Amino acid sequence: SQQGEEDPQALSIQEGENATMNCSYKTSINNLQWYRQNSGRGLVHLILIRSNEREKHSGRLRVTLDTSKKSSSLLITASRAADTASYFCATDASQGAQKLVFGQGTRLTINP
Amino acid sequence: NAGVTQTPKFQVLKTGQSMTLQCAQDMNHNSMYWYRQDPGMGLRLIYYSASEGTTDKGEVPNGYNVSRLNKREFSLRLESAAPSQTSVYFCASSGWAGIGGYTFGSGTRLTVV
Repeated sequence: SQQGEEDPQALSIQEGENATMNCSYKTSINNLQWYRQNSGRGLVHLILIRSNEREKHSGRLRVTLDTSKKSSSLLITASRAADTASYFCATDASQGAQKLVFGQGTRLTINP
Repeated sequence: NAGVTQTPKFQVLKTGQSMTLQCAQDMNHNSMYWYRQDPGMGLRLIYYSASEGTTDKGEVPNGYNVSRLNKREFSLRLESAAPSQTSVYFCASSGWAGIGGYTFGSGTRLTVV
């Protein structure tokens, strides 16, 4: 079963615009992570936010976490063509060994 | 610094054949994982190994077996391949408490005909 649900499933914007993707989940979590996957490649870790954090930044990425609403958002500012990829949220709700449960992803296309 | 290496990158099997997917990491991570990715389904956990000497089932373990050969290597075996196992398989590893997230391999694209 999928813990995280991303919204929208697909997003197409112009280069330079900001892109926002949302993730909702069902159970209490230890942390939530965002990953990027370029076509035909493995996933790359972008950012991790812990359950006691509300916002985190990394370069052009901003992640928020609202544990009361069980939701997170990923904002990519000043988008570039190289940001075209699928983005996945993943939640860790495990006791003991970390086990991530991934959502179905958002397909982001940046148009030049 | 290779990270996580998976072999092979591509494989075509006939129904009923067996094969082993290999995974090795050089990051000194304790935990390793096998996921499968199907269109529109995201990634689903098949098996994981929290530490050397331990393995546990994930969400979709049926039809698979694993071996944590040592701290570096974690293999996935299909004993009798079925068309439903056609997928892209990813191996990943993580350090203590998942700090730094998972590091993924580049995947194995498996087709069972």
